[in-house]
Amino acid sequence: EVQLVESGGNLVRWGGSLRLSCAASGFTFSNAWMSWVRQTPGKGLEWVGRIKSKMDGGTIDYAAPVKGRFTISRDDSKETLFLHMTGLKVEDTAVYYCTAKDIGYWGQGTLVTVSS
Amino acid sequence: QSVLSQPPSVSGTPGQRVTISCSGSSSNIAGNTVNWYQQLPGTAPKLLIYSDNLRPSGAPDRFSGSKSGTSASLAISGLQSDDEADYYCASWDDSLIGYVFGAGTKVTVL
Repeated sequence: EVQLVESGGNLVRWGGSLRLSCAASGFTFSNAWMSWVRQTPGKGLEWVGRIKSKMDGGTIDYAAPVKGRFTISRDDSKETLFLHMTGLKVEDTAVYYCTAKDIGYWGQGTLVTVSS
Repeated sequence: QSVLSQPPSVSGTPGQRVTISCSGSSSNIAGNTVNWYQQLPGTAPKLLIYSDNLRPSGAPDRFSGSKSGTSASLAISGLQSDDEADYYCASWDDSLIGYVFGAGTKVTVL
């Protein structure tokens, strides 16, 4: 059974940093393309970025609103996906979901709140 | 403002068939596959349909997907009270180089 468990969400001040983790199990993590997706009441679901598997080049793509501020990485040996967020803005407040396999599998989400 | 357009809400009576539309463009739906998700209150979205019209294991066969050109649809037949949820469509966008979502459609069972 595929399991994705996010952690690291917290209350952080504007301009601050935070790192989210996603522990994966139940599938071959090293072969999977992984994405982060966030959800806010006002803007709905928004794709944050994606990292391909190393065998497919490991390319990372980011959505325009987070490019230059967020960094996605992976540790295949620990089957863990990361999202390092810097320069956080109030509009980054959302539930962040870790997703796998073309956004087919989703974790339960972790809440990030950015205060002004 | 979502890239994919969905109606905000649809409703039906138990047993009825309802459809949800998802309108996109040549850079997303027309050239890439569409996923549909069901989100129950307080939970994460769950994959309902992938690759336009395929159901993952466990998804009821009352749900079906279709696509034509720049639009896709999700049909729910034999509507049940358990189907009350928000439904989202998603597709890869070649111009934006990222996944795009619809704003979601709330299904209400009358």
